[in-house]
Amino acid sequence: EADIYQTPRYLVIGTGKKITLECSQTMGHDKMYWYQQDPGMELHLIHYSYGVNSTEKGDLSSESTVSRIRTEHFPLTLESARPSHTSQYLCASSPRTLPGQGTTNYGYTFGSGTRLTVV
Amino acid sequence: SQQGEEDPQALSIQEGENATMNCSYKTSINNLQWYRQNSGRGLVHLILIRSNEREKHSGRLRVTLDTSKKSSSLLITASRAADTASYFCATAPNAGNMLTFGGGTRLMVKP
Repeated sequence: EADIYQTPRYLVIGTGKKITLECSQTMGHDKMYWYQQDPGMELHLIHYSYGVNSTEKGDLSSESTVSRIRTEHFPLTLESARPSHTSQYLCASSPRTLPGQGTTNYGYTFGSGTRLTVV
Repeated sequence: SQQGEEDPQALSIQEGENATMNCSYKTSINNLQWYRQNSGRGLVHLILIRSNEREKHSGRLRVTLDTSKKSSSLLITASRAADTASYFCATAPNAGNMLTFGGGTRLMVKP
């Protein structure tokens, strides 16, 4: 089973509230990612991190922010939730490709997701 | 924009039949990966095939890669109801680069 944990599993919250979605992994992976996915649709990368104190925005513009203070923890925060934020949020991690392993790549390990509903 | 696009978008078969899903991509890749997603859950990594490989097997899964056509196929043999899920392909332009996921094929296996 995946050693990456997301909480909460489901969240229903009112418009304007601040929320933090938690993501933790116990595999020591350097790279972590946040994806947004509407039901039955493709995944959109919204944030990623290559290590502690490294965070970048992804392809999909998002009003959320992330932090990476510890290797194992990559929380996502929405300062003011809106109905347009209603979606599933998936966290994933992968090992870093080491020098000399130019042709090596690894699969991602995903958490179970947080289904967010903003009313 | 999507790098990988799966075809068909949806597939319904009877238990015991084989299921074939295709993925096309646009730019050169280092590797291509297939993932499964059960409804409302995260994705699970199934198999990775490198650009210098043409075919790979894992249990009932068979993946092929044709870099000249920029396409891959995932074959699930002797399907089971438990195989019902969405299947996504993902590509990486270089080793260590981030994956780009396609839109997925929704597979339903009827008992």
